[in-house]
Amino acid sequence: DQQVKQNSPSLSVQEGRISILNCDYTNSMFDYFLWYKKYPAEGPTFLISISSIKDKNEDGRFTVFLNKSAKHLSLHIVPSQPGDSAVYFCAAYSGAGSYQLTFGKGTKLSVIP
Amino acid sequence: NAGVTQTPKFQVLKTGQSMTLQCAQDMNHEYMSWYRQDPGMGLRLIHYSVGAGITDQGEVPNGYNVSRSTTEDFPLRLLSAAPSQTSVYFCASSYSAGAHYEQYFGPGTRLTVT
Repeated sequence: DQQVKQNSPSLSVQEGRISILNCDYTNSMFDYFLWYKKYPAEGPTFLISISSIKDKNEDGRFTVFLNKSAKHLSLHIVPSQPGDSAVYFCAAYSGAGSYQLTFGKGTKLSVIP
Repeated sequence: NAGVTQTPKFQVLKTGQSMTLQCAQDMNHEYMSWYRQDPGMGLRLIHYSVGAGITDQGEVPNGYNVSRSTTEDFPLRLLSAAPSQTSVYFCASSYSAGAHYEQYFGPGTRLTVT
């Protein structure tokens, strides 16, 4: 049973526009969320994270929003650039003493020039 | 810093063969882990280690062994390869165990079992 769900396998966006990637989770014990970006033939790289005590975290063009009541988070990329084309994974930790990161299946973002 | 390195990059095995996937990090990270990624799936945790001499199972540990004799190295052993173990394997490390420390991933090992 998937605890972290990314229901959109792919997303296409025009360069310069906003990309919104969504992630839902079912485990209410999750309290720290991360987004990773992955290019083909490379390992994932950390992008941005958010603690459950916050509802927004921003880093340059990347903003993550967390809605705890809906168990939903989203990653906004503004403006989108062709170099942002990659697979984006949502991941979650479940609290103190948890050493396991649970990943979603990923969303492939294509930014069209 | 080389970061997290993995060898080999590619490997083909026959069913029943054994092999070891190597992982090393030079960042003095306490926590190391192994994931596998299958088509259309996210990354699934195989085994992890919170420090030298300490290992534990993740979500999909069957068919794999690990050990952590040094801080730097965390090899993954396939005891008797099966076609179901065809996958891309990623090693990762982080400064410390638990939340709030992002993990750094290696480039991956693509394994095919025939």
